[in-house]
Amino acid sequence: DQQVKQNSPSLSVQEGRISILNCDYTNSMFDYFLWYKKYPAEGPTFLISISSIKDKNEDGRFTVFLNKSAKHLSLHIVPSQPGDSAVYFCAASPNYGGSQGNLIFGKGTKLSVKP
Amino acid sequence: EAGVTQFPSHSVIEKGQTVTLRCDPISGHDNLYWYRRVMGKEIKFLLHFVKESKQDESGMPNNRFLAERTGGTYSTLKVQPAELEDSGVYFCASSQWGLAGSEQFFGPGTRLTVL
Repeated sequence: DQQVKQNSPSLSVQEGRISILNCDYTNSMFDYFLWYKKYPAEGPTFLISISSIKDKNEDGRFTVFLNKSAKHLSLHIVPSQPGDSAVYFCAASPNYGGSQGNLIFGKGTKLSVKP
Repeated sequence: EAGVTQFPSHSVIEKGQTVTLRCDPISGHDNLYWYRRVMGKEIKFLLHFVKESKQDESGMPNNRFLAERTGGTYSTLKVQPAELEDSGVYFCASSQWGLAGSEQFFGPGTRLTVL
């Protein structure tokens, strides 16, 4: 039973346009949400995070929006660049019991940015 | 500063054999995590060490998997005996803080194929 869902396996965007990657979750006990980027043959790399008490966090071209009532978050990349082409994972970080720190991942969305 | 390293990068073994994966975290990181990604599925948490102690091993699939972190530095994950369903990419990650939302630094992974 997946607690973090990324329903779009892939997304193709033109260079310079906005990329919007979506993520849904089921557990209202999640404390933080993180986005990781992964290139082939490499491990995931941290991109940006957001606390459950906030609704927006911005870092350069990357902005994450959190809608707690809908249990939905999204990652916006503006403007998109060819180097952004990678698999993006949404992850949730619970803070209950002994589960502090471990990450619960979605299946990932493969972003292709075309020049 | 060296990142998280994992050895080997690839391992191909036959069903019933034993394999040991190694992870060297970033120096000074007390928290070490193991994750696994089976093809087509999400990255799943296996366990979390704080120094040499197992903080959370709720993700370990069964007793064929044994993780150790003697001395609180590098960690090993042994699979004995390996089964076909153990095939996948095993990631190790480390972090300075084991708190919800803490950034975890991932290694490149070990791709395990069980024939």
